[in-house]
Amino acid sequence: KAGVTQTPRYLIKTRGQQVTLSCSPISGHRSVSWYQQTPGQGLQFLFEYFSETQRNKGNFPGRFSGRQFSNSRSEMNVSTLELGDSALYLCASSPLRASDQETQYFGPGTRLLVL
Amino acid sequence: EDQVTQSPEALRLQEGESSSLNCSYTVSGLRGLFWYRQDPGKGPEFLFTLYSAGEEKEKERLKATLTKKESFLHITAPKPEDSATYLCAVQVYGNKLVFGAGTILRVKS
Repeated sequence: KAGVTQTPRYLIKTRGQQVTLSCSPISGHRSVSWYQQTPGQGLQFLFEYFSETQRNKGNFPGRFSGRQFSNSRSEMNVSTLELGDSALYLCASSPLRASDQETQYFGPGTRLLVL
Repeated sequence: EDQVTQSPEALRLQEGESSSLNCSYTVSGLRGLFWYRQDPGKGPEFLFTLYSAGEEKEKERLKATLTKKESFLHITAPKPEDSATYLCAVQVYGNKLVFGAGTILRVKS
């Protein structure tokens, strides 16, 4: 079974621009979560989508948004980029069947550099 | 506030020298504790899930244990290929994971 895939793998943007990152979950997985990883703050939860609906949201400004499509693929968007948005953005998927106690599997991440 | 603390921050071992990594947590309601391994420039790779105190899981040279306040990742006779950052995370609600800062492990031959 193919793992979680993320595109693009690397991005360079300038301040004020916006960016869209894409995530394809493991086949059959219905929940997609997004995390931001930086050297200073570590891994932080952004949001989770299930059945095209945002289920949970972390403590990030409204510039960070996402969506999920009917095939469970997900995108996240960051508008008005700031230097501090430079990070590794990770997507994770899980089956989410009867219980919430399920493992999340991570993709390779998208490395975003904001200049 | 939900909090996960990992220690030590970094650990250097000789090949074959066993040791343990610690993950202590303060959460309102633990739904699961996860261990991941992360290599530089890559996404976290799943290792173990623990759900209740007293539970243990093993995989090759790794063994994870869980108590009501903390989890340990025991590494027996490590090899250089075990060098990585080991991340501990707790599931607090929904699919939200709260991560510790990680332990950087270096195993020298």
